[in-house]
Amino acid sequence: EAGVTQFPSHSVIEKGQTVTLRCDPISGHDNLYWYRRVMGKEIKFLLHFVKESKQDESGMPNNRFLAERTGGTYSTLKVQPAELEDSGVYFCASSQLTALDNEQFFGPGTRLTVL
Amino acid sequence: AQSVTQPDIHITVSEGASLELRCNYSYGATPYLFWYVQSPGQGLQLLLKYFSGDTLVQGIKGFEAEFKRSQSSFNLRKPSVHWSDAAEYFCAVVPEGFKTIFGAGTRLFVKA
Repeated sequence: EAGVTQFPSHSVIEKGQTVTLRCDPISGHDNLYWYRRVMGKEIKFLLHFVKESKQDESGMPNNRFLAERTGGTYSTLKVQPAELEDSGVYFCASSQLTALDNEQFFGPGTRLTVL
Repeated sequence: AQSVTQPDIHITVSEGASLELRCNYSYGATPYLFWYVQSPGQGLQLLLKYFSGDTLVQGIKGFEAEFKRSQSSFNLRKPSVHWSDAAEYFCAVVPEGFKTIFGAGTRLFVKA
């Protein structure tokens, strides 16, 4: 069974540009999460989808970030326009809707560098 | 607010020595508790988890962790460290709902 995949693995962009990160969850997982780790800091929750609906987006830093999950399958996270402080590693995770312990399976992350 | 504290930013141990990584959490009830490992260039891999029952849980790669309610701790242990264990380790809790709260991580260095 394929795990959570993320694309691209690395992205280097200039301040003011737009970047779109993609996450493909494990097939059949209705829960999808985005997290971010800024250099030297802890991994922080960004948002949570249940199927195509945003369940909790309390961690989204500002309105330059837009997450979508059309059709309830893969998700995209767009940063527009990117700022220097957006640099970090963006992790995606997924879990089954009915998992009692909510074990989340993480992807390898996308390392974003904003110059 | 819920939080997770990993007091050691980095730890160095000799290969073959025992290891203990500390984790304390702040939450009124018992949350779901996890330890993850991230090797260079890899994603987060689940080592073990606790949500009820026996307070000593066994995980993959020879790791174990003990939940101590009185101390709000969930320390990770391994009796004999291998060079391949060098990585960054994250303690995490899911207090309620689905949001995972992570500690800042402890980077483990293993010396020959």
